[in-house]
Order: sequence, then C-alpha cells, then structure tokens
Amino acid sequence: KNQVEQSPQSLIILEGKNCTLQCNYTVSPFSNLRWYKQDTGRGPVSLTIMTFSENTKSNGRYTATLDADTKQSSLHITASQLSDSASYICVVSPFTGGGNKLTFGTGTQLKVEL
Amino acid sequence: SAVISQKPSRDICQRGTSLTIQCQVDSQVTMMFWYRQQPGQSLTLIATANQGSEATYESGFVIDKFPISRPNLTFSTLTVSNMSPEDSSIYLCSVADGVEQFFGPGTRLTVL
Repeated sequence: KNQVEQSPQSLIILEGKNCTLQCNYTVSPFSNLRWYKQDTGRGPVSLTIMTFSENTKSNGRYTATLDADTKQSSLHITASQLSDSASYICVVSPFTGGGNKLTFGTGTQLKVEL
Repeated sequence: SAVISQKPSRDICQRGTSLTIQCQVDSQVTMMFWYRQQPGQSLTLIATANQGSEATYESGFVIDKFPISRPNLTFSTLTVSNMSPEDSSIYLCSVADGVEQFFGPGTRLTVL
C-alpha cells in the first residue's frame, strides 16, 4: 500500500531558529515529491516539487531534499518567522501530473513562537 | 497559476440536510478534483469531476452521498447529502495544471 509518513507530528520552535521536517514514502512507481504549506483555514500551497533526479530544491527560506534511493525527503526552514506557523504536507505522485493518484502525508504542524 | 475560489467558506448545518459547495477557477482546466480533510487527517480524494460526464468516485465515496456537477471547464459543485456529524470536515476543490496541483481555500462544514 502506498504510504507517506511524516515526522515529527508537531513541532514548536522559537522565531529565528531553523528546523527540519522529515518525510518517508513507500509510493511506487515514483515520479515526483511535493511539499505544501497549509495555513489554518486555508488550502495547501505548493512550496517545492522534485522529480526523482533532483536532490535538492529551494524556495526562499525553504529547502527540500530528496533521496530517491532511501525514499526519504526533508524540508528545511531557515530563520523561521511567525508566519511559518502552519501544517507542512509531503505529497508523492506516481506520475508527472499526479492528478488523482497523489498520496498525502498527515502533515507536520509547526508553531513558531516569540 | 490557477486561482480557485469556493463558496461558502464555512457553514453549520443540521443533520439530514444537504449542502452544495461551489468551486470556481479563474482559467479553463481539464482536471478538477474534490477532497475531504477530516480533523487531524491528511487529504482524501472524493472524486474527479469530469466535464460533461459523470464524476469518477474513489473507493468509499458514492454518487448518492456526494453528487458532483461539472458543467464547464471553470466550475464545479459538490453536494454533501443527508448529512450526519461524521461529515463534519473541510472540503477542498483542486485543479491540476501540468505538474502543478492547486487547491482552493476549502469549505469548513460542521454538522450538528
């Protein structure tokens, strides 16, 4: 069964600190892995998309890494801000477009405090 | 990128009633989907809304409970029928545009 597992389930950090979120997947075949940010009461917004041939991709203070051999990904947030407080969801697709075949993780709930 | 709006943004409904959620996209898209996100859970695909034909439902979801319309390439509706408290959830419209997938802001439904 295709699965995406994320850790930790929740995390509290102080503003300005860095943090790393983890994602392990068993989806096969594999085409791409996405990280989404979901603010409370809003829909998910894409942060990065990586194919199996990409090891790292950055979007501002967000850097995602991918190890397709071990089926692991991480999302590193640098110099956290209060606005980074949100749920971060790892999503894996077996096909280029994904469509109706996306497998979602349960997310990591991040809270950034003063 | 596609901009998606949903109506209503939230609603509180009585058991046994039905609610229709609207999804409007600012551009024509082929692939449109409806998801459910229960409290503390990941997103679950309900169905793919097909333009001009019946929606394709995922296992565990049926047309009688979640009828879907897709009259054109920019609009779709999802109806949650004969609601029970177990239907309390966030319902999200989503569209695929090439590799990217975009999500609407969601409709937060509470059933009493």
